[in-house]
Amino acid sequence: GESVGLHLPTLSVQEGDNSIINCAYSNSASDYFIWYKQESGKGPQFIIDIRSNMDKRQGQRVTVLLNKTVKHLSLQIAATQPGDSAVYFCAESSNTGNQFYFGTGTSLTVIP
Amino acid sequence: DAGITQSPRHKVTETGTPVTLRCHQTENHRYMYWYRQDPGHGLRLIHYSYGVKDTDKGEVSDGYSVSRSKTEDFLLTLESATSSQTSVYFCAISENLAEQFFGPGTRLTVL
Repeated sequence: GESVGLHLPTLSVQEGDNSIINCAYSNSASDYFIWYKQESGKGPQFIIDIRSNMDKRQGQRVTVLLNKTVKHLSLQIAATQPGDSAVYFCAESSNTGNQFYFGTGTSLTVIP
Repeated sequence: DAGITQSPRHKVTETGTPVTLRCHQTENHRYMYWYRQDPGHGLRLIHYSYGVKDTDKGEVSDGYSVSRSKTEDFLLTLESATSSQTSVYFCAISENLAEQFFGPGTRLTVL
């Protein structure tokens, strides 16, 4: 099966600092990746996605970087705010399947 | 939650009883998914649907069945609930196999 994992289960950052959350994947055929944010008691929310023909994509305060050589992606959050405290998941899929595979998540805590 | 509702939101049941969870969407999206979320495992796919009456198994489908008789409804049934099926269940929808929108979740406890 697929293997999507995160390097660190927890991350604490000071408010205003930048956060970096990492994710490794094992399927070299994966060509589409999504980052989700999940707040306590809620369902995951889409943050940003990236396809394998790109190595960087930016959104509002967030950037996703994809390194296909080492099968690694990261989520960077600029000027982290208390509202960013949540669990962040990466998910990947390939164009040959209908399924997404999710990592176990990193819990981000923002310290005021 | 992108026009997705799940019912019930919480349920406590006993081992051996049948349980049906309902996912309802108002977005007319083609794809619907059922996941379970457990500590240390992240989200794992149970079953998914790619159209009315078209369903397929995910990685943890044993003990679960699904039905989709209408575009807007996707039902997940536990024929005989076991304690190992205690979990939080999420429904998700997608139009084009890309971004998935998730429902609020159903917390199921099997005693």
